[in-house]
Amino acid sequence: EVQLVESGGALAQPGGSLRLSCAASSFTFQNFAMGWVRQAPGKGLEWVSSVNGAGGRTHYADSVKGRFTVSRDNSKNTLYLQMNNLRTDDTAIYYCARGGGEFDYWGRGTLVVVSS
Amino acid sequence: EVVLTQSPGTLSLSPGERATLSCRASQSVSSTYLAWYQQKPGQAPRLLIYGASSRATGIPDRFSGSGSGTDFTLTISRLEPEDFAVYFCQHYSTSPMYTFGQGTKLEIK
Repeated sequence: EVQLVESGGALAQPGGSLRLSCAASSFTFQNFAMGWVRQAPGKGLEWVSSVNGAGGRTHYADSVKGRFTVSRDNSKNTLYLQMNNLRTDDTAIYYCARGGGEFDYWGRGTLVVVSS
Repeated sequence: EVVLTQSPGTLSLSPGERATLSCRASQSVSSTYLAWYQQKPGQAPRLLIYGASSRATGIPDRFSGSGSGTDFTLTISRLEPEDFAVYFCQHYSTSPMYTFGQGTKLEIK
């Protein structure tokens, strides 16, 4: 069964940094684009970033461009999201999801809280 | 940028009834890149429909999607107790850019 397990969420101060990880299993990781989607408390879904299977093409929502960096290590079946210069409106559950169009599998998410 | 508007915001129905959820795009979009998700409290979203009308793996056939251009619909033919949740539509463009609707909450009447 496909599994995606996020980690790295924590309380961070405005202007701080966090690195999220997403460990994937039970599928050929390098064959799939992957994405990050976030959900602020009580709000809807917002796409954050995506990366192609090889890791060479990355894309970002305008709200995080220049602050967040997505990457992947296909030897470790792991997706990453480096988040710098965090803002209070980055507070959300961050989900990793498989896919380059629709997202067919999702992790359970990791909570990021940005607060002073 | 495509904006997706879902209606109604909240839909109150009883088990056994038929649910019709709408997703309207701000401009014509390819149905190939229109998906629907279900999200229950405390859980991750689950893919229901992709390509506007194809059911994802393991999704019961009481769920169906339809539409084209700017108007898309998710229909649940006979509501089961486990179907009460929040539903999101999503569009993917080749930029790429992923856009979600704001969601429809389906609640028990």
